[in-house]
Amino acid sequence: DADVTQTPRNRITKTGKRIMLECSQTKGHDRMYWYRQDPGLGLRLIYYSFDVKDINKGEISDGYSVSRQAQAKFSLSLESAIPNQTALYFCATSDARVSGTNNEQFFGPGTRLTVL
Amino acid sequence: AQRVTQPEKLLSVFKGAPVELKCNYSYSGSPELFWYVQYSRQRLQLLLRHISRESIKGFTADLNKGETSFHLKKPFAQEEDSAMYYCALGTGANNLFFGTGTRLTVIP
Repeated sequence: DADVTQTPRNRITKTGKRIMLECSQTKGHDRMYWYRQDPGLGLRLIYYSFDVKDINKGEISDGYSVSRQAQAKFSLSLESAIPNQTALYFCATSDARVSGTNNEQFFGPGTRLTVL
Repeated sequence: AQRVTQPEKLLSVFKGAPVELKCNYSYSGSPELFWYVQYSRQRLQLLLRHISRESIKGFTADLNKGETSFHLKKPFAQEEDSAMYYCALGTGANNLFFGTGTRLTVIP
């Protein structure tokens, strides 16, 4: 089945370390997203990409960067991790070919990141 | 600025009782509203969207632009409805703004 996968699923790191979270999809979707989820705050958009050459900041992009290496891959980097970046991170995809302005998003299983 | 408010973090109902999960939004443009659900040990997934005007798993939601609400309703709750529910607002750029979520527990 077509899927959205995230690696790693869990990661513990120290303050100041560089961390990369990876997202891959076999759905053939062109649009990809990174969200973080914090208790009591819901999901907040970090970055999104509508195709390989398109990268856009979301609501909370400070302290993060992304790379869209291919249509199927979208990586999130924390250049110098800090404790308040401890959260659950989700990748999502959507298909621009589906009619409608806002299309259904398909989520990965999440990566739990802890920054000590 | 856009905002989605889900006033209830936790909601418990008995099996067979009606359930309503509240969602209010703030957006100056033409909104698209969604409900996403996350069952235990499963991924976040779309439950329903207002433009579809359909009932999914017995749930319905009507967009009320006057009250800027998109409440999720089900007349008879089932145990399998226990999950985390998120209301989301689409603003035309294929971005979604999520509420903080409501954890629904259906008591047997």
